[in-house]
Amino acid sequence: GAGVSQSPSNKVTEKGKDVELRCDPISGHTALYWYRQSLGQGLEFLIYFQGNSAPDKSGLPSDRFSAERTGGSVSTLTIQRTQQEDSAVYLCASSRQAQGAREKLFFGSGTQLSVL
Amino acid sequence: GQNIDQPTEMTATEGAIVQINCTYQTSGFNGLFWYQQHAGEAPTFLSYNVLDGLEEKGRFSSFLSRSKGYSYLLLKELQMKDSASYLCAVPTGANNLFFGTGTRLTVIP
Repeated sequence: GAGVSQSPSNKVTEKGKDVELRCDPISGHTALYWYRQSLGQGLEFLIYFQGNSAPDKSGLPSDRFSAERTGGSVSTLTIQRTQQEDSAVYLCASSRQAQGAREKLFFGSGTQLSVL
Repeated sequence: GQNIDQPTEMTATEGAIVQINCTYQTSGFNGLFWYQQHAGEAPTFLSYNVLDGLEEKGRFSSFLSRSKGYSYLLLKELQMKDSASYLCAVPTGANNLFFGTGTRLTVIP
């Protein structure tokens, strides 16, 4: 596609429910990142996928968070048993991965998650 | 580890020049990025500096001093549409881009 697409744009859920957030990266981009942005905070790295390599999960805050990337394209971030502190904007980004983290990132518009 | 310091907020007048500073600490320097993020929108790439000096790109310029761990973003001829957050970021390891908390710039008439 022309840009990184994320859905839904807004998600309101009740504490304890599971949520799935979707990211469709730019066609041909092999690297995909998930970041979280809480109000007044910087972007917090969550997870990174590159091609068929094992993902870098070092930023996931707890085992309630997981992500997968099917067919090297679309990615889903799942948060189980959501907590109020999970409320944030979840941003997905993709890049060509020619030079690793030195490659510029293209971000989606994010999913605003609100846990009541 | 990594650390980035940026001013939280700045205000400047339309038509003026503003400089947004960023100081960083990182192990193994691999360049420095600036991104712009309008409220409610995705961050977009502005610049990437890996060598010392000033790089100019239209109204926006970015400066880097590796020895001082310092960068700044210079915005000239400010326009109202430049009101946004400006994020300084450094690569860390192979996979991660570490972001500062950003500087929220407000341009006033």
